[in-house]
Amino acid sequence: GENVEQHPSTLSVQEGDSAVIKCTYSDSASNYFPWYKQELGKRPQLIIDIRSNVGEKKDQRIAVTLNKTAKHFSLHITETQPEDSAVYFCAPTRGGYQKVTFGIGTKLQVIP
Amino acid sequence: DGGITQSPKYLFRKEGQNVTLSCEQNLNHDAMYWYRQDPGQGLRLIYYSQIVNDFQKGDIAEGYSVSREKKESFPLTVTSAQKNPTAFYLCASITTGSNTEAFFGQGTRLTVV
Repeated sequence: GENVEQHPSTLSVQEGDSAVIKCTYSDSASNYFPWYKQELGKRPQLIIDIRSNVGEKKDQRIAVTLNKTAKHFSLHITETQPEDSAVYFCAPTRGGYQKVTFGIGTKLQVIP
Repeated sequence: DGGITQSPKYLFRKEGQNVTLSCEQNLNHDAMYWYRQDPGQGLRLIYYSQIVNDFQKGDIAEGYSVSREKKESFPLTVTSAQKNPTAFYLCASITTGSNTEAFFGQGTRLTVV
């Protein structure tokens, strides 16, 4: 099965600074790389994803970069705002093999 | 609202009792999942099912059981064999198409009293 590691486990940044969270995986056949955001007391929701034929994807202040050779992908949040405070999870998967393993999560705190 | 409904939102169980958590989806997704969330532990997979009448153990299946009699439904039973059942339980579903985004229910917070 997929071994997923996520770093750091906690991250505090000043409002307006950037935040980067890294996800390392073991299954070289993984081809779908999503990031989920879970606000306090809420369900996780997809915020951005990338497929293995793309190296980078950007959506306003968030971006995801993929390094398939090194088997890791990262979430980048620029110009952080207090509403970015949440727990972020990665969950790399491959089609047809549906055991979905999540990283342990990164608790991001944006300090106003 | 996301197409996945978990009930109840809060559940209290006495020690030694079995309890069943409900999960229903109307997204026509093939695969359904149960995760347990404890503080600082992330999302740990309990059971998952890719098709009706079939399911597989996840990483922490001991003390839990599931059934998948209908595509729309994937109930989780927390048995008395689960030694530490107090946690937040999340159900999710995924289509088996090219987009494998997971959709989550609102969660059930189970407390043993």
